[in-house]
Amino acid sequence: DAGVIQSPRHEVTEMGQEVTLRCKPISGHNSLFWYRQTMMRGLELLIYFNNNVPIDDSGMPEDRFSAKMPNASFSTLKIQPSEPRDSAVYFCASREWSSYEQYFGPGTRLTVT
Amino acid sequence: TQLREQSPQFLSIQEGENLTVYCNSSSVFSSLQWYRQEPGEGPVLLVTVVTGGEVKKLKRLTFQFGDARKDSSLHITAAQPGDTGLYLCAGDSNYQLIWGAGTKLIIKP
Repeated sequence: DAGVIQSPRHEVTEMGQEVTLRCKPISGHNSLFWYRQTMMRGLELLIYFNNNVPIDDSGMPEDRFSAKMPNASFSTLKIQPSEPRDSAVYFCASREWSSYEQYFGPGTRLTVT
Repeated sequence: TQLREQSPQFLSIQEGENLTVYCNSSSVFSSLQWYRQEPGEGPVLLVTVVTGGEVKKLKRLTFQFGDARKDSSLHITAAQPGDTGLYLCAGDSNYQLIWGAGTKLIIKP
């Protein structure tokens, strides 16, 4: 298996623009997690899905953030409009429902200028 | 949501030295995981401990889960430059991971 795939790996955009981050989980994993990592705040859970259904989105910072999982093999995290304080590395991770262990993608480094 | 404490936050030592990283919480976890993250990559799972008092060894790395399943430690023997990275502990609570802030470890040759 190729592991968790994220795209793009790097994104530079101007404040106010829409940003869409993409994730393909490991095949057979039915839980998917979106995280944000910064030096100041460490690794923060934004939202997670079980069987494509959002279970807990309490970590989503504001209404500017939204996430979807239209099927078991694809998820998006959208920021609209983006702001400089959204600059961070965004990770997607997946897990089998019965397992404790999460597998992370390589991350998307987002820079909003 | 973060674990109460992961310590130290930063550690820089010479190759060959031993070190211990601690992960403490007031919460009881069904399991606890240790991850290592290298620059530009996502965290990679090193080990999962499940039973109170459990000890697991991974080459020069020894992981211990506290008897009460609230804390854990990672001990590295004879550290190597390849051990350099960010070490993160994460406690499992209702299948969500509660993360520590991380320990940045640098091993100097």
